[in-house]
Amino acid sequence: GAGVSQSPSNKVTEKGKDVELRCDPISGHTALYWYRQSLGQGLEFLIYFQGNSAPDKSGLPSDRFSAERTGGSVSTLTIQRTQQEDSAVYLCASSPAGANVLTFGAGSRLTVL
Amino acid sequence: KQEVTQIPAALSVPEGENLVLNCSFTDSAIYNLQWFRQDPGKGLTSLLLIQSSQREQTSGRLNASLDKSSGRSTLYIAASQPGDSATYLCAVHNFNKFYFGSGTKLNVKP
Repeated sequence: GAGVSQSPSNKVTEKGKDVELRCDPISGHTALYWYRQSLGQGLEFLIYFQGNSAPDKSGLPSDRFSAERTGGSVSTLTIQRTQQEDSAVYLCASSPAGANVLTFGAGSRLTVL
Repeated sequence: KQEVTQIPAALSVPEGENLVLNCSFTDSAIYNLQWFRQDPGKGLTSLLLIQSSQREQTSGRLNASLDKSSGRSTLYIAASQPGDSATYLCAVHNFNKFYFGSGTKLNVKP
């Protein structure tokens, strides 16, 4: 597509429920990143996918967080047993191979009650 | 680990003023540096990208400079306008990760 697409744009859930956030990167972009931005805070790296290589999961805050990228394109970030501290905007970005230039989606705002 | 700092955290200026936003980083072994703009409730929009071999980049009223050896970058905005009001973030890229500063929130008063 023309840009990075994220869904849902807003998600309100109850504590303890699982949520899935979706990212559809720009067609042909081999790198895909997930970041988290808490209210008034900077961006926190979560996970990085590059082509068919093993993902860099070093930023995932706990084992409740996981992500996958199917067919080198769409990615899903899953948060199990959500906690109130998971409330944040989750941003996805993609980059073409070798360019190291990020293009961001509009984000998914997650609110855990 | 790379640490990125942006000063000031917030800035309020009258319309028409020229201004400078600062970004500093601790590890000079970067591939590039990117400046972004973030409007409230929105994602990040890329403004300028400076490769590690470059000293500056210009786009319209924006000019970004890079001094790798001292770990600094500046974003210069000329003749500021109310529409420039947003949060500006810098990100440095090394070792397949982008490290972000916490941003400078700019308010340009009409």
